[in-house]
Amino acid sequence: GQQLNQSPQSMFIQEGEDVSMNCTSSSIFNTWLWYKQDPGEGPVLLIALYKAGELTSNGRLTAQFGITRKDSFLNISASIPSDVGIYFCAGLATNYGQNFVFGPGTRLSVLP
Amino acid sequence: KAGVTQTPRYLIKTRGQQVTLSCSPISGHRSVSWYQQTPGQGLQFLFEYFSETQRNKGNFPGRFSGRQFSNSRSEMNVSTLELGDSALYLCASSSAGTGRSYEQYFGPGTRLTVT
Repeated sequence: GQQLNQSPQSMFIQEGEDVSMNCTSSSIFNTWLWYKQDPGEGPVLLIALYKAGELTSNGRLTAQFGITRKDSFLNISASIPSDVGIYFCAGLATNYGQNFVFGPGTRLSVLP
Repeated sequence: KAGVTQTPRYLIKTRGQQVTLSCSPISGHRSVSWYQQTPGQGLQFLFEYFSETQRNKGNFPGRFSGRQFSNSRSEMNVSTLELGDSALYLCASSSAGTGRSYEQYFGPGTRLTVT
């Protein structure tokens, strides 16, 4: 079945640093979503991508839909302590329905 | 707009029992999806309901079932609970209309513990 890989699995960065993470697959996807999840809470939608090559920003966050449609990237600029959490990518391979495949997540820790 | 709400937030059940979880989507959203999240398997898709019909289904046994009502509220039922069913069950809603209809918004989840 379809699988998503996320790297890195975890990362420790200093406050103020920029962060890059990615999501890859051997399958083609039509939609990519990026989420952040805090402990004990549901994932919060950060960015949605719908077209290959699309670059979308949401404040300090920027995400890109890879041109091969098999990957996506998320960058966070000037990290702050509240960026701590687990970041998930989710891909949708079909234009019918909402059965997203989720990656295993990247755990981000920000050191003051 | 109010977000997705899920009840109850926490539940403890015994093996062999059954459980029903409830989800109220964002007002105007017609699609409701259910996911199971565990440390070992991550977020896994259970099923999606749209206009009271199951539109997609993941690879879970028949013990997992759901339904959607005419007001788009959804329930998920797990029968004959097993220890491995302990998980955070998440519900997500989307407008499933035109444009950015694939954006899914999650509720806070129901933490189910099976003993």
